[in-house]
Amino acid sequence: GQNIDQPTEMTATEGAIVQINCTYQTSGFNGLFWYQQHAGEAPTFLSYNVLDGLEEKGRFSSFLSRSKGYSYLLLKELQMKDSASYLCAVKDNYGQNFVFGPGTRLSVLP
Amino acid sequence: SQTIHQWPATLVQPVGSPLSLECTVEGTSNPNLYWYRQAAGRGLQLLFYSVGIGQISSEVPQNLSASRPQDRQFILSSKKLLLSDSGFYLCAYRARGEEQYFGPGTRLTVT
Repeated sequence: GQNIDQPTEMTATEGAIVQINCTYQTSGFNGLFWYQQHAGEAPTFLSYNVLDGLEEKGRFSSFLSRSKGYSYLLLKELQMKDSASYLCAVKDNYGQNFVFGPGTRLSVLP
Repeated sequence: SQTIHQWPATLVQPVGSPLSLECTVEGTSNPNLYWYRQAAGRGLQLLFYSVGIGQISSEVPQNLSASRPQDRQFILSSKKLLLSDSGFYLCAYRARGEEQYFGPGTRLTVT
């Protein structure tokens, strides 16, 4: 089966650092993705990991451990505009089926 | 540059009525195309994907269907809508890279 878990909600303070975790159990693995989705809008692509390790892109970093079925998204220097849902998604072995987690709703407080 | 369009942006339809949502992609050829549905407060559910004209794979059995009549056009249809079909419908494409890019979405309310 396919299962992706993320915390439902998180709260953090402006200027702080927050880590959003994602664990997955899928029938295959061909890459892990993070998307940001503001309320009422479409998701936008943030990062892609296919090998173990950390990928850094500005204020956002994403980490993957394939042996543990685990990833996290790290957001630094939080801004109010970072308040959004963050979706973790896994692409299966066949390369076409993307399985999305339920998303983590992040609230950034002043 | 690549862009993706969806229409309509919002739609209110009675139960039992037909549905047609359209998605078009510009700036790339032979993209992989996807239809997702997002119910209120829930994650994205993959409905259909297509790797080429006339090639449709269904991920979830339901009263919806999809077609790809042209390389960069993807259509989601239903003959008779159910209340449970309400949701946010998103079209996405994948071009040269691994990631998907989403259209602006159609918010469908079935009454």
